[in-house]
Amino acid sequence: KAGVTQTPRYLIKTRGQQVTLSCSPISGHRSVSWYQQTPGQGLQFLFEYFSETQRNKGNFPGRFSGRQFSNSRSEMNVSTLELGDSALYLCASSLGPKRSGGSNEQFFGPGTRLTVL
Amino acid sequence: TQLLEQSPQFLSIQEGENLTVYCNSSSVFSSLQWYRQEPGEGPVLLVTVVTGGEVKKLKRLTFQFGDARKDSSLHITAAQPGDTGLYLCAGDFAGYSTLTFGKGTMLLVSP
Repeated sequence: KAGVTQTPRYLIKTRGQQVTLSCSPISGHRSVSWYQQTPGQGLQFLFEYFSETQRNKGNFPGRFSGRQFSNSRSEMNVSTLELGDSALYLCASSLGPKRSGGSNEQFFGPGTRLTVL
Repeated sequence: TQLLEQSPQFLSIQEGENLTVYCNSSSVFSSLQWYRQEPGEGPVLLVTVVTGGEVKKLKRLTFQFGDARKDSSLHITAAQPGDTGLYLCAGDFAGYSTLTFGKGTMLLVSP
């Protein structure tokens, strides 16, 4: 079974630009979560999608947004990039939320390394 | 927001040594997961512990869940260079639908 895939793997942007990152979950997984990882802050939760609906959102500004498609694939968008947005963005999939019979065991993709200049 | 602390933050040892890393919280975990992340890759799930006092073994790795389900430890016996990586614990707290990750322990095992 193929793992979680993320594209692109590396991205360089300049301040003020916007970026879209893509994530394809493991086949059969319906929940997708996004995390930002930086050396200083560690892994911070951005948002979670299940059945095309955002179920949870972390403490990030509105410049960070996402969506999920009917095939469970997900995208996240960051608008008006700032230097501090430079990070590894990780996507994780799981079967589904606990209340829907899933668990919180996350299966991560390799991440997208975003550098903002 | 639930707080989850890992210690030590960084550990540099020689091949063959033993080590233990810790994950602690002031709140009770419903379950706790350990992940390992290698440079340039995403975290990989190693184990999930659910029951207080539970001990799970994965080859040279031993995971223990505290009786009160507020702490966990990961012990590596005879560490090898291939064990190098960032070890993350992630807590699943009752009433919270998302995982809370610790900042991790960076382990470097030198030949």
